[in-house]
Amino acid sequence: QVHLVQSGAEVKKPGASVKVSCKASGYTFTGYYIHWVRQAPGQGLEWMAWINPNSGGTNYAQKFQGRVAMTRDTSISTAYMELSRLRSDDTAVYYCARGIYTSGWHFDYWGQGTLVTVSS
Amino acid sequence: QSVLTQPPSVSAAPGQKVTISCSGSSSNIGNNYVSWYQQFPGTAPKVLIHDDNKRPSGIPDRFSGSKSGTSATLGITGLHTGDEADYYCATWDSGLNAGEWVFGGGTKLTVL
Repeated sequence: QVHLVQSGAEVKKPGASVKVSCKASGYTFTGYYIHWVRQAPGQGLEWMAWINPNSGGTNYAQKFQGRVAMTRDTSISTAYMELSRLRSDDTAVYYCARGIYTSGWHFDYWGQGTLVTVSS
Repeated sequence: QSVLTQPPSVSAAPGQKVTISCSGSSSNIGNNYVSWYQQFPGTAPKVLIHDDNKRPSGIPDRFSGSKSGTSATLGITGLHTGDEADYYCATWDSGLNAGEWVFGGGTKLTVL
């Protein structure tokens, strides 16, 4: 069965960078986009970006352009999200999710989430 | 402020029906499929409805989706206390940048 397993919680200082991993199993990694969605404490869901693991192509939300980078390593079926110049309002749970196309796109499997805390 | 507008909360009694609305525009709901997600505290979201009104396998038919113009609706019948969760609508918005996914602000369902 499909699993997305994310790396563990991180604590970072303002101005630092964080890199979160998402390891896929149970399907062909290069066959499905990986999206990143974050959720600040007590807040709603916010889409950040997607990566096409086959081509490496990416699309970033305008809000995060210049500060976020999505990469992947197909040899180990893992996608990465790196967010730089961290601020306190980047404190959130970061989720990876698999994008699937049926008649339209949606997210069918999600990782367990990675809490990133930004604090001095 | 979210691009898609949902009521912050809804409530109903066990066994009753509830609907959750999601309002958008022609650049998002009006021209793209809507999906709905259920999220319990401390857990990842789970897809309930995709392509406006399709249920993934394993999702009971108590959950339904519909869309008209630039608004979508999630319906839940036969409410259980176990349905208490946050619900989010989502779709692609082709009017933002090179296109972005957008979510509603979420609706907290209380089963009284």
